[in-house]
Amino acid sequence: AAGVIQSPRHLIKEKRETATLKCYPIPRHDTVYWYQQGPGQDPQFLISFYEKMQSDKGSIPDRFSAQQFSDYHSELNMSSLELGDSALYFCASSLRSAGNTIYFGEGSWLTVV
Amino acid sequence: AQSVTQLGSHVSVSEGALVLLRCNYSSSVPPYLFWYVQYPNQGLQLLLKYTTGATLVKGINGFEAEFKKSETSFHLTKPSAHMSDAAEYFCAVSDSGGGADGLTFGKGTHLIIQP
Repeated sequence: AAGVIQSPRHLIKEKRETATLKCYPIPRHDTVYWYQQGPGQDPQFLISFYEKMQSDKGSIPDRFSAQQFSDYHSELNMSSLELGDSALYFCASSLRSAGNTIYFGEGSWLTVV
Repeated sequence: AQSVTQLGSHVSVSEGALVLLRCNYSSSVPPYLFWYVQYPNQGLQLLLKYTTGATLVKGINGFEAEFKKSETSFHLTKPSAHMSDAAEYFCAVSDSGGGADGLTFGKGTHLIIQP
């Protein structure tokens, strides 16, 4: 079965640069989520989209933004990167009408140097 | 507001022994509860979930968990540990079946299997 696809899997950026992560949800899923997991930490909810509209916002820094496109893929844009942004970024998707279980992608490793 | 507490950041058991990972939650509404497993350098894989109905939930890889409302707990168990069970386990809660507000995770429990 198709899973949540994230790209790139690994990314190295310098401080103050910009990074963009992409997420392709499971086909027909209508909700996308972004989570950030720092080294040795639990995943923290950043933001979610339902039917291409922002649905809820968690601990997403103002330097970050995200959107969901007409084909339901989503992008997380991170600007003015800081060393503390180094983390594993998960995208997840769900289908509200089917119990809304959240399925996670493999994650994108961002290293800021 | 919701929160999850996982007792024990590290749990060590012998191969073949019972696995018990503890999770307590707080939620202002009936919770939806989940256990996820994360192997090194990999994503989060859903083990099992409780939404409504039967309080004993069976998941993949022989794991199960029981929702106890009176104790606000959702402990994860497996009768006999296998070396391949060594991983990080996260308990999570949502107030909408994993809906728009996403999941709130516990800090995780690292399960170590001794040969």
